[in-house]
Amino acid sequence: ELKVEQNPLFLSMQEGKNYTIYCNYSTTSDRLYWYRQDPGKSLESLFVLLSNGAVKQEGRLMASLDTKARLSTLHITAAVHDLSATYFCAVDISDSGGGADGLTFGKGTHLIIQP
Amino acid sequence: DTGVSQDPRHKITKRGQNVTFRCDPISEHNRLYWYRQTLGQGPEFLTYFQNEAQLEKSRLLSDRFSAERPKGSFSTLEIQRTEQGDSAMYLCASSNYGYTFGSGTRLTVV
Repeated sequence: ELKVEQNPLFLSMQEGKNYTIYCNYSTTSDRLYWYRQDPGKSLESLFVLLSNGAVKQEGRLMASLDTKARLSTLHITAAVHDLSATYFCAVDISDSGGGADGLTFGKGTHLIIQP
Repeated sequence: DTGVSQDPRHKITKRGQNVTFRCDPISEHNRLYWYRQTLGQGPEFLTYFQNEAQLEKSRLLSDRFSAERPKGSFSTLEIQRTEQGDSAMYLCASSNYGYTFGSGTRLTVV
């Protein structure tokens, strides 16, 4: 059974600081997704990582994937209050992006960025 | 067609009643998924359709849960004899290559 573990599960940080969220998973996969969720809302896609060594950046967020270590990271640079949300990683074990197993999610990292 | 639509957005029901939720996927996506998300947890995969065929349903939570996609377009998720533990957000996603999630249906069983 695929397990996806995120840490930390809760993070409170100050604006301007840097931090990294870690996502470990238990089986071989080349496809990893990061989502953002605001309270009471659905999931907003942030990054899709499709190969070993993939790195993607958008604004103050950067995601990377190491398939050999079965590890993805989401790095936040110079955090701002608007990035406060819950962040989920999700692993896809299908070959083509969309298979019978769907996505397996971590429990999420609840991020609070204080002014 | 700009995204995945779910209806209703919110549903409050009494314990023991049946509820049905609808999902309209992105029109060119032939794969459709249902997930359940309880408070403080990540979404949990329930079932999967490719076109009208339900190819994975073993992870539906009990025999009270069923899903259909009769013409390979929209899908419905039904929960019979609801229980308080069914209170959750029910999310639909469609996929062509990546996954696009709808806004979800929040169910409250009282």
